[in-house]
Amino acid sequence: KNQVEQSPQSLIILEGKNCTLQCNYTVSPFSNLRWYKQDTGRGPVSLTIMTFSENTKSNGRYTATLDADTKQSSLHITASQLSDSASYICVVSARNNAGKSTFGDGTTLTVKP
Amino acid sequence: GAGVSQSPSNKVTEKGKDVELRCDPISGHTALYWYRQSLGQGLEFLIYFQGNSAPDKSGLPSDRFSAERTGGSVSTLTIQRTQQEDSAVYLCASSPGTGRHEQYFGPGTRLTVT
Repeated sequence: KNQVEQSPQSLIILEGKNCTLQCNYTVSPFSNLRWYKQDTGRGPVSLTIMTFSENTKSNGRYTATLDADTKQSSLHITASQLSDSASYICVVSARNNAGKSTFGDGTTLTVKP
Repeated sequence: GAGVSQSPSNKVTEKGKDVELRCDPISGHTALYWYRQSLGQGLEFLIYFQGNSAPDKSGLPSDRFSAERTGGSVSTLTIQRTQQEDSAVYLCASSPGTGRHEQYFGPGTRLTVT
């Protein structure tokens, strides 16, 4: 069964600090992995998307890594800001069913001043 | 440019009533998805449409749920005889295609069944 596990479930950090969120998956055959940011009361917004051959991808202060061998991904947030407070969702798609992605339950990040 | 829009933004209905939720995707996007997100939970896939292909309905939780997409554009998710457990945020997304294409999400419809 395709699964996506995220950790930690929630995280509180001080403004300006860095943090790393984890995503482990069992989706196979792998097509791509995406990280989304979901602010409270809003729809998710894409941060990065990576395919099998991509190890790292950055989007401003967000850097995602992918290890397709160990089926792990991380999202690193540098110099956190209050506006980074949100839920971060890892989503993995399989090559044989690209329209039906597997979503993680998300990590809720709270950045405090 | 216009993003994905959904209406209504909030819907309160009585148990047993039928509801219709609407999604207007980004113009030209061939793929359209519906998800459900219960309070504090992750997104649950419901159904997706890709072009003129038959929709993948494998995520619909019961036969009370149905969806259609008219003219390859607007989609309506219908829930018949609503139950309290149907209370959730229903999110719609569209993309230029499936696979590697990014999904663009609407703001969601918050459904409350009393």
